[in-house]
Amino acid sequence: EPEVTQTPSHQVTQMGQEVILRCVPISNHLYFYWYRQILGQKVEFLVSFYNNEISEKSEIFDDQFSVERPDGSNFTLKIRSTKLEDSAMYFCASSGDRGLNSPLHFGNGTRLTVT
Amino acid sequence: KNEVEQSPQNLTAQEGEFITINCSYSVGISALHWLQQHPGGGIVSLFMLSSGKKKHGRLIATINIQEKHSSLHITASHPRDSAVYICAAINMDSNYQLIWGAGTKLIIKP
Repeated sequence: EPEVTQTPSHQVTQMGQEVILRCVPISNHLYFYWYRQILGQKVEFLVSFYNNEISEKSEIFDDQFSVERPDGSNFTLKIRSTKLEDSAMYFCASSGDRGLNSPLHFGNGTRLTVT
Repeated sequence: KNEVEQSPQNLTAQEGEFITINCSYSVGISALHWLQQHPGGGIVSLFMLSSGKKKHGRLIATINIQEKHSSLHITASHPRDSAVYICAAINMDSNYQLIWGAGTKLIIKP
């Protein structure tokens, strides 16, 4: 069965550095999402992406964050200048032509640690 | 008040028991997802439902739109079912975004 893949599985970075989290969604999916989960807390929505543009974003997704789909297969989340509070598990997800009304497929997550 | 509430927060049961996890929501929704988060952190979608009942193996999910309530049931529970179970509702009042519950941590003892 096709899978969403995320790399790296664990990223350690220093405060102020830029990080890029990578995701390869399922190839025929049209909607893409980034979520994050701070340790011990609920999953939080960051951004959704459809038709090569952001369709929705949360308050968390400020100017420090950006997403790209550079080559039709990868879907990346960039954090420009990381803060300690960005430490979290970041999940990429994708879904079919009905968006959230289709089954969601998640990657295994990237654990980001900012020191 | 959270828009999606799950109960119980934690549940420990013996292998073989019938498990029920509840999810109540206060907003208008188009559908609701049940997800399983493994101890390692990965999230797997179990069900997406907008009415009635769905069954997959030992898992059953039901939803009552009028009562704004959904349940996830596990029959003949097994230690490998130990995980966090999360419901997430698609909020029609907020641009159809997912609102996540806090999760129910289930431990099944052998």
